[in-house]
Amino acid sequence: GDSVVQTEGQVLPSEGDSLIVNCSYETTQYPSLFWYVQYPGEGPQLHLKAMKANDKGRNKGFEAMYRKETTSFHLEKDSVQESDSAVYFCALSGSSGSARQLTFGSGTQLTVLP
Amino acid sequence: DGGITQSPKYLFRKEGQNVTLSCEQNLNHDAMYWYRQDPGQGLRLIYYSQIVNDFQKGDIAEGYSVSREKKESFPLTVTSAQKNPTAFYLCASSITGVGANVLTFGAGSRLTVL
Repeated sequence: GDSVVQTEGQVLPSEGDSLIVNCSYETTQYPSLFWYVQYPGEGPQLHLKAMKANDKGRNKGFEAMYRKETTSFHLEKDSVQESDSAVYFCALSGSSGSARQLTFGSGTQLTVLP
Repeated sequence: DGGITQSPKYLFRKEGQNVTLSCEQNLNHDAMYWYRQDPGQGLRLIYYSQIVNDFQKGDIAEGYSVSREKKESFPLTVTSAQKNPTAFYLCASSITGVGANVLTFGAGSRLTVL
């Protein structure tokens, strides 16, 4: 079956640091890839997405490149802010495009230190 | 504004009791979902429904039940058969067809079994 691996459970950069949150996936399909963000006390919300290989998702200074050759979708930002603190989930959706086929990673808690 | 309303936000239950979590949406979405969130485990699908009066089991349906009598409503009952019910429960919705893999989440309900 499909799987999504986020290697870091928690990251603690200081404000202004650069950020990479790793996401690797396994699937036999041609997936769409997503990052969802969950702020404290709220449900997750779509942060950015990429529908096919070599697409780049962008939102609020964050970027993620859909790399088929390395089966990765790492989340990056040049300079993080305290307001970026949240839990970030990587997810993939199978070829059918159905949410039933959404597979989520275990999440990465980002805490930006002042 | 359109969105998903979950209630209650916090719920305490004694062992052996059934509890029902409410989920209402005014987004006119056809599909609705229930996820369970546990620390370090990401989001796991409990049940989903793509149309009124029809629903399917997700990956961890044992000990849970749902109904879909109205398009706007998708309540989840956590039964006494659920071995480890303490968790954070998230309701979500989406359109069907193209774009069905993009979810809108509610703010969640936290259930604690005493």
